[in-house]
Amino acid sequence: GENVEQHPSTLSVQEGDSAVIKCTYSDSASNYFPWYKQELGKRPQLIIDIRSNVGEKKDQRIAVTLNKTAKHFSLHITETQPEDSAVYFCAASYSGDYKLSFGAGTTVTVRA
Amino acid sequence: KAGVTQTPRYLIKTRGQQVTLSCSPISGHRSVSWYQQTPGQGLQFLFEYFSETQRNKGNFPGRFSGRQFSNSRSEMNVSTLELGDSALYLCASSFEGGIYGYTFGSGTRLTVV
Repeated sequence: GENVEQHPSTLSVQEGDSAVIKCTYSDSASNYFPWYKQELGKRPQLIIDIRSNVGEKKDQRIAVTLNKTAKHFSLHITETQPEDSAVYFCAASYSGDYKLSFGAGTTVTVRA
Repeated sequence: KAGVTQTPRYLIKTRGQQVTLSCSPISGHRSVSWYQQTPGQGLQFLFEYFSETQRNKGNFPGRFSGRQFSNSRSEMNVSTLELGDSALYLCASSFEGGIYGYTFGSGTRLTVV
């Protein structure tokens, strides 16, 4: 089955700096890669996703890049703010799998 | 539209007991997935149901089971509870499975004592 590895496990950044989280996946059939943000005590929420026919996608301060050849994808957060502090999960899926396989999560702390 | 509703929000059970958790997906969503979330193990997939059929199952013992009803509501059951079953159980609603993305419920926090 699909195995998703996520790094780093914790990330501390100064407010205004950028944060980058990287994930690798094992199954070349995977073609959908979402990112979820989970604030303390709350449910995970989808923040951005990308499909394998696209190399990059942006939404305001958030961007995701995908390298299918290397089987890795990354989340980039620019101009970080205190409200960006949360746990971020990457995931991967493919048609016929019916589930999302999640990375272990990255705890991001934005220092004021 | 209404989100994903999970009940109850909190449960305390004793070892050896059984528990049933409920999930009502977003209207129109026919896929319901269940995940176990623990601090050390992240989000572990339990099973996925679509139109009352289990289409995928994770690597959990047979004590963990689930079902889905004709209105897409789903239940999961854990029998003979163990201390290690203490976790947040999240239900995820989707149009047709993982590749369409999930909307998660708020979860049921299960504590086994």
